[in-house]
Amino acid sequence: DVKVTQSSRYLVKRTGEKVFLECVQDMDHENMFWYRQDPGLGLRLIYFSYDVKMKEKGDIPEGYSVSREKKERFSLILESASTNQTSMYLCASSFTYQPQHFGDGTRLSIL
Amino acid sequence: GQNIDQPTEMTATEGAIVQINCTYQTSGFNGLFWYQQHAGEAPTFLSYNVLDGLEEKGRFSSFLSRSKGYSYLLLKELQMKDSASYLCAYIGTYKYIFGTGTRLKVLA
Repeated sequence: DVKVTQSSRYLVKRTGEKVFLECVQDMDHENMFWYRQDPGLGLRLIYFSYDVKMKEKGDIPEGYSVSREKKERFSLILESASTNQTSMYLCASSFTYQPQHFGDGTRLSIL
Repeated sequence: GQNIDQPTEMTATEGAIVQINCTYQTSGFNGLFWYQQHAGEAPTFLSYNVLDGLEEKGRFSSFLSRSKGYSYLLLKELQMKDSASYLCAYIGTYKYIFGTGTRLKVLA
């Protein structure tokens, strides 16, 4: 079974902090994605990566950056956390044009 | 551009059949997916259509018409545990575009 593991289920941080969300997958998928999900807005793509060291901006990249140094790991970084970044963050991975597999999500609160 | 629509909410009775529709508009298309998401949990993959027609998987079936930009998810013999949000998504070039989800309530 595909396993996508996110480092934390719940996280509370303060405004201005640098926040790291980690995601690891064990299926050798070339593609990895970071989404945020907010009520009424659905899943919105922040960044994705289709290969090691490659990254592409999604629909809402402002205030975020990513890192993919190894194929199995994709990190999302909030450079200076703000309250409007309070959300559910979901990591996913896939082979190209195949179904995505999601991690359990991180519910992030910025105070 | 990219646009995908599905109803916000639907209600059905235990044991019944329900059809959730999804329409999309895109210049690049490489497949359509359906996911189930229970409250507070991550989406889980249900079905995938890349060619026109019906794909059946137990109580769940999904249909695709590429010329009409239309798909539906059919759930038969509804159970209480089917109460969840159902997300349709298509894939263009690398990016997966999600609808906002249809919240299905199954009543006893």
